[in-house]
Amino acid sequence: QSALTQPASVSGSPGQSITISCTGTNSDIGAYNYVSWYQQHAGKAPKLIIYAVTNRPSGVSNRFSASKSGNTASLTISGLQTEDEADYYCGSYTSSNTVVFGGGTKLTVL
Amino acid sequence: QVQLVQSGAEVKKPGASVKVSCKASGYNFGSDEIIWVRQVPGQGPEWMGWISAYNGKIHYGQTFQGRVTLTTDTSTSTAYMEVTSLRSDDTAVYFCARSHPGYGAYDYWGQGTLVTVSS
Repeated sequence: QSALTQPASVSGSPGQSITISCTGTNSDIGAYNYVSWYQQHAGKAPKLIIYAVTNRPSGVSNRFSASKSGNTASLTISGLQTEDEADYYCGSYTSSNTVVFGGGTKLTVL
Repeated sequence: QVQLVQSGAEVKKPGASVKVSCKASGYNFGSDEIIWVRQVPGQGPEWMGWISAYNGKIHYGQTFQGRVTLTTDTSTSTAYMEVTSLRSDDTAVYFCARSHPGYGAYDYWGQGTLVTVSS
């Protein structure tokens, strides 16, 4: 199972919005509404910020939103803050009853 | 509160085995699966497999089938991940996580265990 495709890096200024894309196949993102997004700060464990395509766990800011169209999922962060600077990973359930992750996107808040 | 606490860093020689533990607390250990993920620094996570503490069912990712063994000890609410025949490219941080609230959604994570394979 190949990794999902994410841009290597994105950047934005405080207060702006950015979107990170995540492209998979008909066997993962396109087949199920089980896309998750994780935020990971350096040296820390990943943190779940979106599950089942659009749902936010309790305690996650509503500045984080997500969607899916076909084989591509997207994460949008609005009102960028300096603490949003981190690596972001998408993940999807697959037809093999496994999960595949993306290669990660480094967000820089300028 | 839910916590997953992993065992400490390991240094192993090529060909050796390593067993990492993940002790859960703050929830019913049998109610959710535990998954394991490998992450090489600077790269995305690799999904290794899941295990159900409830019924012992296990499913491995294709890359790890045959060299990785997942187990649980319900008496201590601890999950274990063992990798045999270690190679240098197994050097990575290994995480356990709770599978909740749905497929591919992992809401609580261990702190990670660095395994270094070096001669």
